[in-house]
Amino acid sequence: GDSVTQMEGPVTLSEEAFLTINCTYTATGYPSLFWYVQYPGEGLQLLLKATKADDKGSNKGFEATYRKETTSFHLEKGSVQVSDSAVYFCALIRHNNNDMRFGAGTRLTVKP
Amino acid sequence: KAGVTQTPRYLIKTRGQQVTLSCSPISGHRSVSWYQQTPGQGLQFLFEYFSETQRNKGNFPGRFSGRQFSNSRSEMNVSTLELGDSALYLCASYGGGPSTDTQYFGPGTRLTVL
Repeated sequence: GDSVTQMEGPVTLSEEAFLTINCTYTATGYPSLFWYVQYPGEGLQLLLKATKADDKGSNKGFEATYRKETTSFHLEKGSVQVSDSAVYFCALIRHNNNDMRFGAGTRLTVKP
Repeated sequence: KAGVTQTPRYLIKTRGQQVTLSCSPISGHRSVSWYQQTPGQGLQFLFEYFSETQRNKGNFPGRFSGRQFSNSRSEMNVSTLELGDSALYLCASYGGGPSTDTQYFGPGTRLTVL
């Protein structure tokens, strides 16, 4: 079945460091891919998405490119801030099926 | 636009009881999905409702059920609660069109079963 694998955390970085969180997926067809972020005590917020191969999603300095050849959707940010500390989830959804599959989540802590 | 709202935010129940959680989607959204989030299993899909009909269902026992009303508000019910049902229950709404539409999540209801 469809699944998402993302790098295990926790990830601890210093402010202004470069961030990469790896995400790979297994799915039939061509799913849409998402990154969601969850701050403590809150629900999930959409960070960015890509709906077809080679699409790049971007938001708030975060980017991810839909790579069909490597079935990946890695999240990157050039310079993290303390306020980016949260749990990040990679997810996919197939067309005509609203069963969204999530990765296990990666906890990011950014230290001043 | 107001976001997805869930009530209550916190619940404490004992084993064997039943519980009903409520979700109000974003105005105009016709689809509501429910997810269970636990430290051990992560985020798992429970079911999706669209226009008052269950359209998709995850792999959960029959103790978990839901419904959707004509105003798109949705409820989920868990009967005969077990300790393992302790979790954050999230609902998400979207317009109901192609599944590439974004799902917007509520803040969740944290259920604790004692």
